[in-house]
Amino acid sequence: AQKVTQAQTEISVVEKEDVTLDCVYETRDTTYYLFWYKQPPSGELVFLIRRNSFDEQNEISGRYSWNFQKSTSSFNFTITASQVVDSAVYFCALRKISNFGNEKLTFGTGTRLTIIP
Amino acid sequence: EAQVTQNPRYLITVTGKKLTVTCSQNMNHEYMSWYRQDPGLGLRQIYYSMNVEVTDKGDVPEGYKVSRKEKRNFPLILESPSPNQTSLYFCASSFRTGGSLRETQYFGPGTRLLVL
Repeated sequence: AQKVTQAQTEISVVEKEDVTLDCVYETRDTTYYLFWYKQPPSGELVFLIRRNSFDEQNEISGRYSWNFQKSTSSFNFTITASQVVDSAVYFCALRKISNFGNEKLTFGTGTRLTIIP
Repeated sequence: EAQVTQNPRYLITVTGKKLTVTCSQNMNHEYMSWYRQDPGLGLRQIYYSMNVEVTDKGDVPEGYKVSRKEKRNFPLILESPSPNQTSLYFCASSFRTGGSLRETQYFGPGTRLLVL
């Protein structure tokens, strides 16, 4: 069975601070995908990134960066120089890689991030 | 404009009255999914589809049906809704490129359902 844990239920930081959202996962699969999603206060869901387990190179996109560490089963998300627009609930998720069409996606329970102006 | 649309956006119904939530995407995506979001439980996948006529269960399929007769549409059917299906529902579509090396997902705006 797959499991994704986001132990930080809520985080508040002052604007311009850096913040890291933790994601720890459990899976018996040797290859899998990891995801991050953003849900701003308006309620829509926004896909941020998909990471392949066989590619451990960290990724950066503007102020966002993701640190994948297979040894610790973690896929952490860092926002640098946070802004008020970053306030949202962030979800981490896991999906096995399958040639047989298994598209089951397992989510963590989310971290609510509040950026204080 | 690339988008996933859901209808209705809000629905109040009564126990046992069959309903359908429609989902449509205009991007010719093969993959589509339905999720429900509940406080304290996060997001859970209900059903997914890899292509026309190919669907499979997610983590919480009980009480739901889906169909994929056309690539663009993936309706969610509640044959006999119950109060525990009160939730916020999201539809999503996705495409993969580069032999699945890249993936992008799009979500609908959500459907808030209240079953009395």
